[in-house]
Order: sequence, then structure tokens, then C-alpha cells
Amino acid sequence: SQQGEEDPQALSIQEGENATMNCSYKTSINNLQWYRQNSGRGLVHLILIRSNEREKHSGRLRVTLDTSKKSSSLLITASRAADTASYFCATGRSGSARQLTFGSGTQLTVLP
Amino acid sequence: DTAVSQTPKYLVTQMGNDKSIKCEQNLGHDTMYWYKQDSKKFLKIMFSYNNKELIINETVPNRFSPKSPDKAHLNLHINSLELGDSAVYFCASSQSLGLNRSYEQYFGPGTRLTVT
Repeated sequence: SQQGEEDPQALSIQEGENATMNCSYKTSINNLQWYRQNSGRGLVHLILIRSNEREKHSGRLRVTLDTSKKSSSLLITASRAADTASYFCATGRSGSARQLTFGSGTQLTVLP
Repeated sequence: DTAVSQTPKYLVTQMGNDKSIKCEQNLGHDTMYWYKQDSKKFLKIMFSYNNKELIINETVPNRFSPKSPDKAHLNLHINSLELGDSAVYFCASSQSLGLNRSYEQYFGPGTRLTVT
């Protein structure tokens, strides 16, 4: 089964609203990463949070990590139409962190 | 400047054929990866090379053979193509400073393989 699973599978919001996506995983991790994929393109790294960190910010992005619940969330504030994309979480497992395991992704649509 | 490039971008071929996908990175990374993304967008690691040495080899049919002539290139050769091989294949690269550290991965634009 997949290591990471995103929730919801699809999210549609109006421009200017905040978007929150969640990721759950099963095993102990070294780090968790979030990636964006625009339609027909490769994945682009957004942010990496290590297992000893609880929160991280990058511009309009805020990522939290709760290792006790094996979950992470990605918050995009003041969303824009250009944020429309699929968002994936990926986990680097303890003892094998070089290998990332990706979730199934959340399709975010931001309506203008 | 392209960081991770793949060729071709699209590949349409018939069952039973052999095909190759090429990947090159100019980031100076020493680790490269091949992923397969299916129609439901699920992304699965296939192989990883570190300094031309195979370090990750997931459960992939042996019809798939990666080749790394140098640390900037990782090619994927597929023999006897099957319908189920249709997918988007992504190459990626990253730094690698140890077994238990991971860094952001840089992805190529993908190769959409269609087997008819």
C-alpha cells in the first residue's frame, strides 16, 4: 500500500481563499516533502520538513508535521489561479531516507 | 538552462518493441532516479543510481534496464513493451550525502509512453 495518502483527493476553492491539504503516512520517517505538479509537467519541490521539526514556512506555504499522528498538512494562503496543480507529499523513511515514497496527490483547482 | 532533461517527450510504439528514454542533469548531482506515474497520477520509484551505482531497484520487471554511463546521465531501456507499460516516466536527480539523508529532488518534464 502507499506510504503517503493525501486528503482530500480534489479541492476546489475561490481565488484569495486558503487551501489546506493533508497527508498521512504509515512508517517512521526521516523527513517529509511536498511537491507540486502542473498539468503535463514534472514535479517541483516546494518544501522539506525534517522529523524533528513541527512547522515550516516558505512564502505563502505553511507545512506542519505531527509525527505522533503520522500526518502533515500543507496550507497555501491567499491562493491564486496559478496555484492550480496537483500536490504530492513524499516521505523519506528512517534508515532509507534517500528513497522517497509519494502519496496519491491532491488536485487543487483555484477558480478566478 | 534546463536542469533535468528527458528525451523523447512523447513515445508511441507497438507491443513487443524495444525503446529507450534518455535523461541528463546538469546540476552536478550524484544521484538520479526513474519514476513511473500511472493514469491515476500515482508516482512510484523504479530505480536509483548514486555515482553510477545502482542503489534502489524496486520490484520492476527485468524488461526494464537502467544504464548510467556517467553520473550526469541515467537512461532507461525497455524490452518487449506491453500495454501496461503505458505511463509517464520521470527522471529526477538530487544530492546525496548519506544513506539516511534526503534532499529535494529535481524532476524532468516526463516522457509519455503509449504502447498500442
